[in-house]
Amino acid sequence: GAVVSQHPSWVICKSGTSVKIECRSLDFQATTMFWYRQFPKQSLMLMATSNEGSKATYEQGVEKDKFLINHASLTLSTLTVTSAHPEDSSFYICSALRGPINQPQHFGDGTRLSIL
Amino acid sequence: SQQGEEDPQALSIQEGENATMNCSYKTSINNLQWYRQNSGRGLVHLILIRSNEREKHSGRLRVTLDTSKKSSSLLITASRAADTASYFCAKGADMLTFGGGTRLMVKP
Repeated sequence: GAVVSQHPSWVICKSGTSVKIECRSLDFQATTMFWYRQFPKQSLMLMATSNEGSKATYEQGVEKDKFLINHASLTLSTLTVTSAHPEDSSFYICSALRGPINQPQHFGDGTRLSIL
Repeated sequence: SQQGEEDPQALSIQEGENATMNCSYKTSINNLQWYRQNSGRGLVHLILIRSNEREKHSGRLRVTLDTSKKSSSLLITASRAADTASYFCAKGADMLTFGGGTRLMVKP
């Protein structure tokens, strides 16, 4: 149990395009979802925390108008990279928290975004 | 910023050998978690150890926690080629702060 599906797994698009990434918890309701960004051979950096029905909380330095997060239901959060540029190319990973705090997070398989 | 620092950054061993990775952190914790990431994939949770625990086992994995030294270690015994991955420690009750990770390569 506790499967998180992330889609798409790979996106290549032109500069200026907006890209939407979906994160779904398939067999549980996620109280909170998280979005991370990872550069090659580096660790994960938290971008934002997303709770169903409320605005996302963004980490310092993350542009909320650039990275739009919508958490429409307890099983779906979306990250939209608006007007993407080559510097936005990265590996984006979502995770979901199944219940109370101090529990493991369940991760999607990530989305590799390449902006030409 | 990353809360945890991991050591070593990279480790290469032969199949069958043990692999030890260390993680240090700066502030107090409720728990510390270890995750594995295969190349180009998401993270898989390995072990969560709470601040009042000193050691925890799961199969070939052993995690220790020393809160006085603010450090934790992950030991993989009898390593296999399939253990090749990056290993991260993470702290946090809900939002996780990840260490820099250890890239482990197990040669067949």
